[in-house]
Amino acid sequence: GIQVEQSPPDLILQEGANSTLRCNFSDSVNNLQWFHQNPWGQLINLFYIPSGTKQNGRLSATTVATERYSLLYISSSQTTDSGVYFCAVLYSGAGSYQLTFGKGTKLSVIP
Amino acid sequence: KAGVTQTPRYLIKTRGQQVTLSCSPISGHRSVSWYQQTPGQGLQFLFEYFSETQRNKGNFPGRFSGRQFSNSRSEMNVSTLELGDSALYLCASSLSTGGADTFGSGTRLTVV
Repeated sequence: GIQVEQSPPDLILQEGANSTLRCNFSDSVNNLQWFHQNPWGQLINLFYIPSGTKQNGRLSATTVATERYSLLYISSSQTTDSGVYFCAVLYSGAGSYQLTFGKGTKLSVIP
Repeated sequence: KAGVTQTPRYLIKTRGQQVTLSCSPISGHRSVSWYQQTPGQGLQFLFEYFSETQRNKGNFPGRFSGRQFSNSRSEMNVSTLELGDSALYLCASSLSTGGADTFGSGTRLTVV
């Protein structure tokens, strides 16, 4: 199956700092999503981004499909950005599509 | 608009029993997908239903099954529970297949 690797596994930031999270995947994919899981466990869909760049407020994401990676940028981080960020790829294998997740990047933003 | 509703929020079951979890999607969403989250294996895709048909399936044993009703509500069933089935079970609803637009708050299942 496809491999999805996220880095770094842990990140501690001072409030106001910027950060870049990376997602590498091992094969061609049909789609890619970024999610945020807050400290209470709620998962939020941030972006659908199979290729190109998208921005939503302080967050932006870029996927370079030909090189099999995606980046999530967080600018001017706030304590509410804390949680785990997951990358997931939609991959077709054995006649079925599967959304395969990375292990996540745990972000802690301290005041 | 109402979000994705999962019931129950918490559940404790004994090994060997079976369990049914429910997921009501956002109005107008016809796709419901299910995921298992554990500390060891992370987030794993179970299956996806669209218009009452299973469209996609993950790599879980046959003890894990699901169905979707005509109103798009979905249920997931796990039979012959094992200790390793203890997990947070999440569902997501989407307008179309192949993704996860909006997640519910999850059902925390503990098998003892």
